[in-house]
Amino acid sequence: GENVEQHPSTLSVQEGDSAVIKCTYSDSASNYFPWYKQELGKGPQLIIDIRSNVGEKKDQRIAVTLNKTAKHFSLHITETQPEDSAVYFCAASKAGAGSARQLTFGSGTQLTVLP
Amino acid sequence: DTAVSQTPKYLVTQMGNDKSIKCEQNLGHDTMYWYKQDSKKFLKIMFSYNNKELIINETVPNRFSPKSPDKAHLNLHINSLELGDSAVYFCASSPRRRTNTGELFFGEGSRLTVL
Repeated sequence: GENVEQHPSTLSVQEGDSAVIKCTYSDSASNYFPWYKQELGKGPQLIIDIRSNVGEKKDQRIAVTLNKTAKHFSLHITETQPEDSAVYFCAASKAGAGSARQLTFGSGTQLTVLP
Repeated sequence: DTAVSQTPKYLVTQMGNDKSIKCEQNLGHDTMYWYKQDSKKFLKIMFSYNNKELIINETVPNRFSPKSPDKAHLNLHINSLELGDSAVYFCASSPRRRTNTGELFFGEGSRLTVL
């Protein structure tokens, strides 16, 4: 099955700096790579995703890059703000039975933005 | 409000007891999931149902029994609770394949503590 590794497990940055979180995956058939943000006491929420036919995607201060050959993808957050502090999860999947998409999650990165 | 809602949010119980967690989504999605998040924040899929039919059943003890009375509800019943069952359980849903962007919509979680 799919195995997703995520680094670092914790990341502290100064407000205004950039943050980068990296993930690798094992299954070359995986074609969908979302990133979820989990705030304290809440469920994970999708913040950005990328499919295997695209190398980079950007949404305001958030960008994701994908290298299919190396089987790794990264989340970049620029101009970090205190409200960016949360646990971030990468995930990988391929289409499954019916409409189910079986996501395999990375182990999470606790991002702390220091004011 | 449109959402994935779970009850109860907190559940404290003794070893050996039987408990249930309920989940409802009013997003009109066809597929629902149960995920377990352990103390290290690791998220792992347990079950997935598509239109009341079980389609993903990961290696989970048979003390865990999901039940889907209709496509808007997916409940989780746990028999003979053990200390290791302590975790946060997340319900999630996703839309049907034709319109499936891949996004999972998570509930806010149910924190189960087994004493």
